[in-house]
Amino acid sequence: AQSVSQHNHHVILSEAASLELGCNYSYGGTVNLFWYVQYPGQHLQLLLKYFSGDPLVKGIKGFEAEFIKSKFSFNLRKPSVQWSDTAEYFCAVSGLSGSARQLTFGSGTQLTVLP
Amino acid sequence: DARVTQTPRDKVTEMGQEVTMRCQPILGHNTVFWYRQTMMQGLELLAYFRNRAPLDDSGMPKDRFSAEMPDATLATLKIQPSEPRDSAVYFCASGPDSLTGELFFGEGSRLTVL
Repeated sequence: AQSVSQHNHHVILSEAASLELGCNYSYGGTVNLFWYVQYPGQHLQLLLKYFSGDPLVKGIKGFEAEFIKSKFSFNLRKPSVQWSDTAEYFCAVSGLSGSARQLTFGSGTQLTVLP
Repeated sequence: DARVTQTPRDKVTEMGQEVTMRCQPILGHNTVFWYRQTMMQGLELLAYFRNRAPLDDSGMPKDRFSAEMPDATLATLKIQPSEPRDSAVYFCASGPDSLTGELFFGEGSRLTVL
């Protein structure tokens, strides 16, 4: 079975601060990794994804994430956050489970950016 | 702009009533997922389908929940009878069968059971 851990439940930052949200996963095989974002009152949207190749992936709105296979981690980063980044961020892993890929989400990290 | 469509967006009902939520996946996607989101439990996978066949509904309370895909353009999630603890936002998501796992989410159906 696959699982995802997000260690920070709530992060509060001031604008222009740097951001790093932790994500660790547990799965014995090949995985695809994702970060989704949910702005207040909205649905989940894909922020970035890693399938293969360069372990440093860049997503929308200046976000990036680094896949470190040896650490089973896929941390999300942004050099300088904005007030509009206030949202909940979900890490997700997709591994082959049974007869189809299943996307498993972490518990989410609520990011609050203070103006 | 292709998107997943869910109805109703908001539903308030009384305990014991039947609730049906509907989802229209993106055309061409053949995997469909139902998730439930609550403050306490976060995002929980309830059921998922591939090519309209249910592959896993282990996350769903079997005695009151049922999920179906009567055709490729419609997925339904039914609760009968509903209970206050079912109050949550229910998201439908669809994805292409490319084995990548990327999903596209609908806007969600917010259910309140009084």
